[in-house]
Amino acid sequence: KAGVTQTPRYLIKTRGQQVTLSCSPISGHRSVSWYQQTPGQGLQFLFEYFSETQRNKGNFPGRFSGRQFSNSRSEMNVSTLELGDSALYLCASSLDNNYGYTFGSGTRLTVV
Amino acid sequence: GESVGLHLPTLSVQEGDNSIINCAYSNSASDYFIWYKQESGKGPQFIIDIRSNMDKRQGQRVTVLLNKTVKHLSLQIAATQPGDSAVYFCAENTNAGKSTFGDGTTLTVKP
Repeated sequence: KAGVTQTPRYLIKTRGQQVTLSCSPISGHRSVSWYQQTPGQGLQFLFEYFSETQRNKGNFPGRFSGRQFSNSRSEMNVSTLELGDSALYLCASSLDNNYGYTFGSGTRLTVV
Repeated sequence: GESVGLHLPTLSVQEGDNSIINCAYSNSASDYFIWYKQESGKGPQFIIDIRSNMDKRQGQRVTVLLNKTVKHLSLQIAATQPGDSAVYFCAENTNAGKSTFGDGTTLTVKP
């Protein structure tokens, strides 16, 4: 079966712009989580969606937002980009709580 | 007191040896734990999980040990191979859908 698909793979944006990243989970998976990965901070939880509802949120500013559609596909948006937002953004899907997550390959965002 | 393995940011082993990667978790209420492997340019890959009602679980060449008393998790890899070289993360699930990841250990397998 197809894995978790994230698009685009690479992105370069300018400070102040906004960006939207997309994630298609494994078919049948209703839980989608987003993580930010940087060399200095490691893997940081952004938010988790289940059946179109945000169930949990990490400690990121309001510039980071997300949503989930009825087909479980998810998007995350970052507005007013800052240089520090440069990172690998990972999406992961799961059947539900307390099941292992399957990660996509990530979107590498560079803010210049 | 009881001794636990220290978390090391890097670990280098000889091919064929056994590897032990340690992790300390933070929340005593966590009830589900996962080990992931991340290779360069890829997202983390699920290796093995364990629930809090168990203290040991075995997979193919991997074993996870959970010590809830000292909030410690370890991953043992038997007969380590060059393909095992990667960064290994432990993760604890504290509540709905949120996994908190450890700092990661870079495992290098020398031929």
